[in-house]
Amino acid sequence: AQSVTQPDARVTVSEGASLQLRCKYSYSGTPYLFWYVQYQRQGLQLLLKYYSGDPVVQGVNGFEAEFSKSDSSFHLRKASVHWSDSAVYFCAVTNSAGNKLTFGIGTRVLVRP
Amino acid sequence: DPKIIQKPKYLVAVTGSEKILICEQYLGHNAMYWYRQSAKKPLEFMFSYSYQKLMDNQTASSRFQPQSSKKNHLDLQITALKPDDSATYFCASSQDISGGPYEQYFGPGTRLTVL
Repeated sequence: AQSVTQPDARVTVSEGASLQLRCKYSYSGTPYLFWYVQYQRQGLQLLLKYYSGDPVVQGVNGFEAEFSKSDSSFHLRKASVHWSDSAVYFCAVTNSAGNKLTFGIGTRVLVRP
Repeated sequence: DPKIIQKPKYLVAVTGSEKILICEQYLGHNAMYWYRQSAKKPLEFMFSYSYQKLMDNQTASSRFQPQSSKKNHLDLQITALKPDDSATYFCASSQDISGGPYEQYFGPGTRLTVL
């Protein structure tokens, strides 16, 4: 069975500071990994995805994530956050058969002005 | 223009009643999904459909029944509602299911409250 752990329920950062959100996955086959963002009272929007190749993937709005097979991780980073980055961020994993997404519990990010 | 429409946005129901959650996608996708987001829990996969056929069902209760009248529609009928069914229900779609993976695009959700 696949699972995703996001150990940080809440993260507070100051505007302009860097951000890292942690994600660990458990999956026996080839994992396909995603980060989604949910702004208040909205649906989920895809930030970035990793299928294969370069372990560092670029996403929208300056976000990037790094895949580590040895560490079973897919951490999300942003060099300098803006107040509009306040949202809940979800890490998710799937496989090529069935395309069912398994999500982490999410990390709520609050960016202070 | 919104590409995935979910109706209604908010829904309040009484215990024991029945409701239908509507989902339509205009992305030309062949696969559609339902997920549930309950308080303090991760988003949870419920169903997947491909070309209007059920592909996967992870919902134990038969009270939840997807209905697909067209390829771009996947409604969710919930019968005998319980307070534990209170959650936000998200519809999603992707280009396909088999031979993937494929990115899933999510609708804005229907927030259901069962009293």
